[in-house]
Formats: sequence, structure tokens, C-alpha cells
Amino acid sequence: DAGVIQSPRHEVTEMGQEVTLRCKPISGHDYLFWYRQTMMRGLELLIYFNNNVPIDDSGMPEDRFSAKMPNASFSTLKIQPSEPRDSAVYFCASRNENREVFFGQGTRLTVV
Amino acid sequence: KNQVEQSPQSLIILEGKNCTLQCNYTVSPFSNLRWYKQDTGRGPVSLTIMTFSENTKSNGRYTATLDADTKQSSLHITASQLSDSASYICGGGGNKLTFGTGTQLKVEL
Repeated sequence: DAGVIQSPRHEVTEMGQEVTLRCKPISGHDYLFWYRQTMMRGLELLIYFNNNVPIDDSGMPEDRFSAKMPNASFSTLKIQPSEPRDSAVYFCASRNENREVFFGQGTRLTVV
Repeated sequence: KNQVEQSPQSLIILEGKNCTLQCNYTVSPFSNLRWYKQDTGRGPVSLTIMTFSENTKSNGRYTATLDADTKQSSLHITASQLSDSASYICGGGGNKLTFGTGTQLKVEL
């Protein structure tokens, strides 16, 4: 298995633009997580899904952030409109039945 | 509020030496404590997972300990190698994991 696949790896966008981050979890994993990582705050959980259903989105910072999981093999995190303070590395992770969590390589987002 | 605090923030050691990283947590509900290694520009990779009933778990040269009474965990690295240079992140909880900001380890010749 190729692991959790995220795209793009890097994204530079202008303030106010819409940004969409994509994730393909490991096949057979029933949990999917979106995290944001910054130097100051470390890894912060934004939202997680179980069997494609959003379970807890209390970590989503504002209404500008939204996430979907239309099927078991794909999820998106959208920011609209983007702001400079959204600049961070965004990680997607999936979890197997043994509770092992596997992270993708992340998307480094820079909003200028 | 769930919190995970790690120390030291950064550490430099010579190749071949041992080191211990610390993690204090106040997380509820708590079902497991995890240590991850994160190389620069990469995603975190799991080193160990411990439930509250486990005191120690090893993965090669990495040994994690857990004291559920004091809510403390440590990660001991034996005979360090240059490839151990990375950020080590501690996290705990249930479905919602709370992570610390990590310890940046540098191993030098």
C-alpha cells in the first residue's frame, strides 16, 4: 500500500482565494483525520470522520473551513476565503482497526 | 483543557549516546499514549502505542515508558544514530488525539 496520499504537497495562494486539499486514506481504514501543524501550536485536530461520516469538527477554526468525505477513498479540506494566518502544514491521517494512525506527507500551505 | 507538554524543546547529543525525552499529559478521555518520529518535511511516523495498562514498550532502540498515575511518559533512545535526528512528538487520548509541540533532536558526530 502506498500509504496516505495527499495532494498537492505545496500550495501557494493569494489571500481571499479558495484552497482545496485532497487526501486518499489507506484502503480499509475506517477513520480519517485532518490535522494542522504549526511551530507554535504543534499538531491540532481539525475534524475526523468514521466510515465517511463527520464525527467531530470542533477543531475547525472558522466557517471558512469545511471538509467532506464523499466515499471511503477520498476526502477534501477546503478553505474559502483563505487568509495568511491559515499558512501551515495540513496533514491527513487514517486509522486501522488496531488503532494505528498513519499520516500522509502533508500539504504545506502558504497564503500571501 | 487537554494538554500535552514535552521537554526539552530541543536537544543535541553525540552519536552513540543515549537520551530521554519527556512527555506530561492531562488528557481526558485517555485510552492510549503515542510517540511519533517526524523527519523534516515528512509526516509523523508511529514509534510506539501504549494503553494505560502498559508500563513500557520497545521498538528497536526506542523504549517508551508510561506512568498513568503521574500522567508522565518518556521515550528513551539507545545508542543514537545520525538518522535519529528528527522531531519526536507525544500524543494521547482516544479517538481525538492531543499532541505536544515535540522535541527537536539533533545527533552529531
